[in-house]
Amino acid sequence: AQTVTQSQPEMSVQEAETVTLSCTYDTSESDYYLFWYKQPPSRQMILVIRQEAYKQQNATENRFSVNFQKAAKSFSLKISDSQLGDAAMYFCAYTVQGAQKLVFGQGTRLTINP
Amino acid sequence: EAGVAQSPRYKIIEKRQSVAFWCNPISGHATLYWYQQILGQGPKLLIQFQNNGVVDDSQLPKDRFSAERLKGVDSTLKIQPAKLEDSAVYLCASSKRSTGANVLTFGAGSRLTVL
Repeated sequence: AQTVTQSQPEMSVQEAETVTLSCTYDTSESDYYLFWYKQPPSRQMILVIRQEAYKQQNATENRFSVNFQKAAKSFSLKISDSQLGDAAMYFCAYTVQGAQKLVFGQGTRLTINP
Repeated sequence: EAGVAQSPRYKIIEKRQSVAFWCNPISGHATLYWYQQILGQGPKLLIQFQNNGVVDDSQLPKDRFSAERLKGVDSTLKIQPAKLEDSAVYLCASSKRSTGANVLTFGAGSRLTVL
């Protein structure tokens, strides 16, 4: 069974600094997709960034980037120039090609200190 | 485009009562999902529909939970009778594609408290 593990229940960072959230996953599949979702207190799950496993290049979306290590089954999220609006729960998620069910990690609560 | 609509936003009931949640997905999205998110945990899939057919309901407690998606659009999730452990946020999501890097769009969720 596919599992996703986020080992950091909580993280905090000073505004304008950089923070990295960790995620590991377990799968026997070779073709899959990884995502980071943000869930603010409003509860709306918002897609932050996604990575296709067949792509070696790490995905980047403005201040958000990932470090995808396929052999190590690791998928970390780096947030640069942290802003107060980045405060939220962050979930790492995994899905297999064609299956579409997202499997989520336990989440990391990110606090931004002004 | 309009997002995924869910109602009610909040519901408080006593155990053994029943409750229903409604979801209206994004227009044109064939796949609809119901997730259960218990406080402090990641969302867990309860049921997935492709149009009006069930794709995956392996984690749906079928003795008390039921869901339907009539006409392949709106969906309703029902709990009867509710238990204390059903207290959670129920998230609905929808997606357009059935293969590939399919991105889910989530609604704001319905928070259920069972007393």
